[in-house]
Amino acid sequence: DSGVTQTPKHLITATGQRVTLRCSPRSGDLSVYWYQQSLDQGLQFLIQYYNGEERAKGNILERFSAQQFPDLHSELNLSSLELGDSALYFCASSVYGQGTQYFGPGTRLLVL
Amino acid sequence: TQLLEQSPQFLSIQEGENLTVYCNSSSVFSSLQWYRQEPGEGPVLLVTVVTGGEVKKLKRLTFQFGDARKDSSLHITAAQPGDTGLYLCAGDLLDSSYKLIFGSGTRLLVRP
Repeated sequence: DSGVTQTPKHLITATGQRVTLRCSPRSGDLSVYWYQQSLDQGLQFLIQYYNGEERAKGNILERFSAQQFPDLHSELNLSSLELGDSALYFCASSVYGQGTQYFGPGTRLLVL
Repeated sequence: TQLLEQSPQFLSIQEGENLTVYCNSSSVFSSLQWYRQEPGEGPVLLVTVVTGGEVKKLKRLTFQFGDARKDSSLHITAAQPGDTGLYLCAGDLLDSSYKLIFGSGTRLLVRP
């Protein structure tokens, strides 16, 4: 158990819909990262927050957005969902803005 | 262009054999992590290496960080079926870009 929690574990929705994925970092970690992993694909970095502020952006679509709240939990919002958005979404956390990241168990999103 | 080249991509070996996985880059990393990922689950941190030339051992797994901090290797001695999984290396770039760069992964199958 890495100490990073993600909810929900599974999510099934339809095209065009909007969903919110939630992540709670390890106690004491200030930074949260979001990744997407499609079937047989590597981990694609989406976005990073550090102590409530956006720190780095990767290959995140404009339909996707995220935020980190004062209690340091984070939410990833995915809107106007398409079939191709079906993937595993992982959250990771680290103490500072760099260094070792600890991953949550992921949210499996299926868009029908 | 992949910043971190991982090889081999796939490896199928018999129980008891030894193997080495390589992670190479032309970039310098301030640290490098190795993760193992089971299907449908989040990557689990195995080790972080920080110092050039550093060697760390975790039971039958030996991790080495190159002297120039551009490459790393993972050696497994007497592999067991329980070692089966996806092995990922990830580097923290020295240019403070705040992003963890992931290799494409090595999928290992250890046959009993």
